[in-house]
Amino acid sequence: AQSVTQPDIHITVSEGASLELRCNYSYGATPYLFWYVQSPGQGLQLLLKYFSGDTLVQGIKGFEAEFKRSQSSFNLRKPSVHWSDAAEYFCAVGEYNAGNMLTFGGGTRLMVKP
Amino acid sequence: DGGITQSPKYLFRKEGQNVTLSCEQNLNHDAMYWYRQDPGQGLRLIYYSQIVNDFQKGDIAEGYSVSREKKESFPLTVTSAQKNPTAFYLCASSIPRPGETQYFGPGTRLLVL
Repeated sequence: AQSVTQPDIHITVSEGASLELRCNYSYGATPYLFWYVQSPGQGLQLLLKYFSGDTLVQGIKGFEAEFKRSQSSFNLRKPSVHWSDAAEYFCAVGEYNAGNMLTFGGGTRLMVKP
Repeated sequence: DGGITQSPKYLFRKEGQNVTLSCEQNLNHDAMYWYRQDPGQGLRLIYYSQIVNDFQKGDIAEGYSVSREKKESFPLTVTSAQKNPTAFYLCASSIPRPGETQYFGPGTRLLVL
């Protein structure tokens, strides 16, 4: 069965600093991968996704992620964090053989220091 | 604007009571999903439906039931058999094809009185 691990439950960064959120997955075939963001008490918004092709994916709000097959990772990055980026971030992996089913990681809560 | 609506925003359940959470979408998506979110556990799939009049159990279906009589609607009932229903419930929809984005509603928070 596929699984997704987000090793960091909480991360605090200073405004203007760079950010990297880690995501590791376990999946037998080539996965498709997503990063979502959730503000408190809200639904999830898609930041970016990898389906095929270029392994460096650009998303909204200045985020990017890189798919590294050899490391089974899909880490999310942003060069300069803004206070409005404080939220919870979820990585998810998709399953080719069952429609569009997703398995989510446990999430990383990002706090931004002024 | 196209999107997904969930109601109510907050719902209170008494002991032994069934409650129903509403999810409506106007994105013309065939697939719809219900997730439960608990702190630190990410999202867990309760039920999903890839077409009208058909649905399948997810990882944690016990104590829940759904129906899919219309393409736009996928209501979730939390039955009295669900002993720990306090959670944030999220509905999503998508085109039922690998790699397609799931779009999420704003969620319903269920609390037990």
